Parts: sequence; structure tokens; C-alpha cells
Amino acid sequence: DTGVSQDPRHKITKRGQNVTFRCDPISEHNRLYWYRQTLGQGPEFLTYFQNEAQLEKSRLLSDRFSAERPKGSFSTLEIQRTEQGDSAMYLCASSSAGTFNEQFFGPGTRLTVL
Amino acid sequence: KNQVEQSPQSLIILEGKNCTLQCNYTVSPFSNLRWYKQDTGRGPVSLTIMTFSENTKSNGRYTATLDADTKQSSLHITASQLSDSASYICVVSAANQAGTALIFGKGTTLSVSS
Repeated sequence: DTGVSQDPRHKITKRGQNVTFRCDPISEHNRLYWYRQTLGQGPEFLTYFQNEAQLEKSRLLSDRFSAERPKGSFSTLEIQRTEQGDSAMYLCASSSAGTFNEQFFGPGTRLTVL
Repeated sequence: KNQVEQSPQSLIILEGKNCTLQCNYTVSPFSNLRWYKQDTGRGPVSLTIMTFSENTKSNGRYTATLDADTKQSSLHITASQLSDSASYICVVSAANQAGTALIFGKGTTLSVSS
């Protein structure tokens, strides 16, 4: 257990539905990241927060995706009008602003879109 | 283009044997290199982090090497155990960046059989 938690661990939804995932980072970490990982691939960066500010978004993050970190603590990732191509593992990671920027990953949320 | 390539893609070994995984990268400016272990359905867990000045770093039965001149790294696993069965991901961090600092390889899937 790295100290980063994600909820739910698994989500099955029908195409067109909206889903929301939650990430609780290590409490003293001010940086929070979202990644997407498909089978046989490494994680792909989606977006990054420093405290409550969303500082960077990947071009992978289409307008159907939105992420928030309202109080600089937990974060949510919402996917609207889900598509089958959204099926993946969504990973959250957190880090402090140290030299190594070591990121600690949560267990992930496995999304299956039917 | 910043890239991390790993080989082999997959590997099967007998319990108790040693193995070596390879990572080649073209990331600039280089900050550090990490090896992560990812069990099936779980988030990645850090094994080692090395800066350009470090040639080798060990974590129990895992030993990572780094040649910053040739931009190559290896992860050596000694006396493998069934619990070593996982995906091993090489991750390179680019300096002076945050959100897209980590460039992930696709991983090597290791299967240890009895």
C-alpha cells in the first residue's frame, strides 16, 4: 500500500454513460497526477495538479474528460458520454515537490465500457 | 522525441533463476531513471531511482544499472521467486518539468514458473 487510494477499483458502464473516479493522495503531497493505462502499455499522462491548480493537460484528455482538485486534496476524474475506447486502467499518483519528484501510485480504477 | 524502449517484451524463467531486463532511452534533458514493478491489476510500485551520477543501485534481489553515456539501463533480478511475476516498467524523468516529466516504457512482462 503506497498511501494513495482510488475509488472505485472497478467500474462497468454502458456506452454513453458518465462516470466519475476519485483519488485520495498522500496527505502531505501537493502534486497529483492522472494516467491512463491500456493492456500491454505503460501509463500515459493525462493531467497534473499542483495544489488545486490544474497546470498541465495532455492532448489525450478530450473535452469529454474533466478533472478537478477543489481543495488541493482529493481529486476527481469524470468521463462524460463514455466510449468503448475509454476502457482502461485509470491511475492516480501523488508526489511532493522534491528533487526526484517521486510519484507514488494508487491501485487504479479499472473501467470497462460495454 | 523522448522515448523509452524496453526489451524483451516478455520473459519466462524458472523459479530460482536470474534474469536481466533492458531499457534504452532517448530523453533530454535527463534527470533520473526509475524502475517500477506492477502486479496485474495494481498500480506501479517504485523499485529504484537513479540519477545520472549513479551507476548501480540495489533493492534486495533487484539491482539496477545505469550507463548515462549510452543511455541504457538494466534491471537484474537474482534468485527469482514466483512473486516476481509482474510487469517491470522503466521510467525516465526529464529535468525541469513536472507534469510530463515521466516518460514510461511499455514494460517487460516477467513470468516466473515453478
